[in-house]
Amino acid sequence: SQKIEQNSEALNIQEGKTATLTCNYTNYSPAYLQWYRQDPGRGPVFLLLIRENEKEKRKERLKVTFDTTLKQSLFHITASQPADSATYLCALAHGSSNTGKLIFGQGTTLQVKP
Amino acid sequence: DARVTQTPRDKVTEMGQEVTMRCQPILGHNTVFWYRQTMMQGLELLAYFRNRAPLDDSGMPKDRFSAEMPDATLATLKIQPSEPRDSAVYFCASGSATSQETQYFGPGTRLLVL
Repeated sequence: SQKIEQNSEALNIQEGKTATLTCNYTNYSPAYLQWYRQDPGRGPVFLLLIRENEKEKRKERLKVTFDTTLKQSLFHITASQPADSATYLCALAHGSSNTGKLIFGQGTTLQVKP
Repeated sequence: DARVTQTPRDKVTEMGQEVTMRCQPILGHNTVFWYRQTMMQGLELLAYFRNRAPLDDSGMPKDRFSAEMPDATLATLKIQPSEPRDSAVYFCASGSATSQETQYFGPGTRLLVL
């Protein structure tokens, strides 16, 4: 069966360190993968998209990698700040790439301590 | 500042009552998604529309849920009759024709069915 796995345990790190979150999937061949941020009581907010033919994508302090052989994406936040504390969701394109349909992981909560 | 809006933000109702949730997508966006989020199941896709036509509602319990887009500026999700297991946060998201992959989420409707 199709499955998306994100670490269900919260990730606690010290301010200034690099946070690395993992998204593993099985029985999918997604055309692209996205990462969203969700704060308590709010809707998810889009951060980054990476396509199946891309290995790495960067945006400011954020970096995403996509390994279609390992079926894994890593999401990095460098020089983390307390304001980065939130839940981060990975989402895979489902079906043909032009539908826009996404399947979300359960999310990993990041806590950055000052 | 273009945003997806949802009403009501909170709804408490009794089992058996009809619940209607409304969503106004970002002006010009042609794709609308309805999601349900719970602690146990995470974010689940219920239905989605493109150019007001329903494309996929396979994630939605057909016997009690219905989704419509009366016009391009309004999407509705109705539950009749509601049950306690429907208690969740319901999100609407919209996407544009030129950037279909990115979804813009509303603030959600928190539903509690007693």
